[in-house]
Parts: sequence; structure tokens; C-alpha cells
Amino acid sequence: DSGVTQTPKHLITATGQRVTLRCSPRSGDLSVYWYQQSLDQGLQFLIQYYNGEERAKGNILERFSAQQFPDLHSELNLSSLELGDSALYFCASSVGGQPAYGYTFGSGTRLTVV
Amino acid sequence: GESVGLHLPTLSVQEGDNSIINCAYSNSASDYFIWYKQESGKGPQFIIDIRSNMDKRQGQRVTVLLNKTVKHLSLQIAATQPGDSAVYFCAENRSGGSYIPTFGRGTSLIVHP
Repeated sequence: DSGVTQTPKHLITATGQRVTLRCSPRSGDLSVYWYQQSLDQGLQFLIQYYNGEERAKGNILERFSAQQFPDLHSELNLSSLELGDSALYFCASSVGGQPAYGYTFGSGTRLTVV
Repeated sequence: GESVGLHLPTLSVQEGDNSIINCAYSNSASDYFIWYKQESGKGPQFIIDIRSNMDKRQGQRVTVLLNKTVKHLSLQIAATQPGDSAVYFCAENRSGGSYIPTFGRGTSLIVHP
């Protein structure tokens, strides 16, 4: 157990729908990072939050959004889902705002859009 | 378990052999490098890291070599075991600022008993 908790583990939904993925960072970590892992693209950085504020943005679609709450857990919202959004979504956390010494990853959420 | 990816370079070795996994990085300003291991159904796990002021670092059964001249990293696993079967990623990072590590596509290591 890495200490980073992601729920749900699996999610199956239809195109056009909206889902919310949840992440609780490791105790003491202030930063949360979201990654998308698909067959063709590898690990793609989506967005980072640090202590409740957006810190960095990667290749995140406008249909996707995220937030970090006062208790530091984070949610990734995916809307108007398309078949191509099917992927593993990982959350990672680090102590500081810049992952100088790497991340701790959760086990991921497998999203299947049908 | 879940498949991480089906379109990755694959390295197949026999149990007990040494494995070498290679990674090319792109940014000459990167000064910190990390290897991650991702087993089926799990998130990536930290294995070993190296800073750009070093060219070699050893851990338990693993060694990372860094060649900054050609922007190349390798991960050597000694006496490979079936439990080493996983996808291995390298990540390049740059200290300072808000740089986010960039991950390579990964290599799938298959260890045959």
C-alpha cells in the first residue's frame, strides 16, 4: 500500500456521461498530480494541485477538470465522455509543490467508456 | 491483472539472467532521473534515482547508469527474478521551478522461470 488511495478502482460508463474520480494523497503530502495512462500514449500528465491551488497544467482536455479540497483530497471530473477517454487514471502525491524526489502513485482507476 | 499497455518495447529474459533496460531522454536541462516499476494492476513504484552529477548509482540488485553526452539512461537488474516482470519507466526531471517530470513510454520486462 503506497498510502495514496484512489476510488473507484474500476468504472464503466457510456459515452456522453460524466464521472468523478477521487484521490486521497499520502499523509503529509500537499501536492496531488493526475495522470492518464492509455495504450498508445503512456503516462500523460494532466494537472497538479498544491495545497488547494492549481499549480501546473499539462495535456488536460477542456472537458476535464479537477479540484483539491481543504482536507487535501482531490477529484478529477471527466465529462462528455468519449470512447478515447478509456484509460487508467493515476493520482500521485508529493510533500512539496515540486516533485524533486519523485512521486508516490496510487493504484489507479480503470475507466472504460462504452 | 490489468494490462498496462500492449504497444511497448518488450524484453524477455530467463530467470537468473541480468536485464538491461534502456531509456533515452530529450531535455539536456534535466538533472534528476528516476526509474519506476509498474506491475499489472498497480501504480508505478519508485525503484532508484540518480542526479546528473553522477554517472552510476547502485541499489539492491539494480544499477542505474547515466550518460549525459548522449542523453541515455539504463537500468540494470542483476539475477532477474519472475517478480521483476513489470513495465519499467524512466522519468526525467529538472530541479527548481514547477517542472513536471516527463515519463518515457516504458519497457515491458518478461522473466521466464
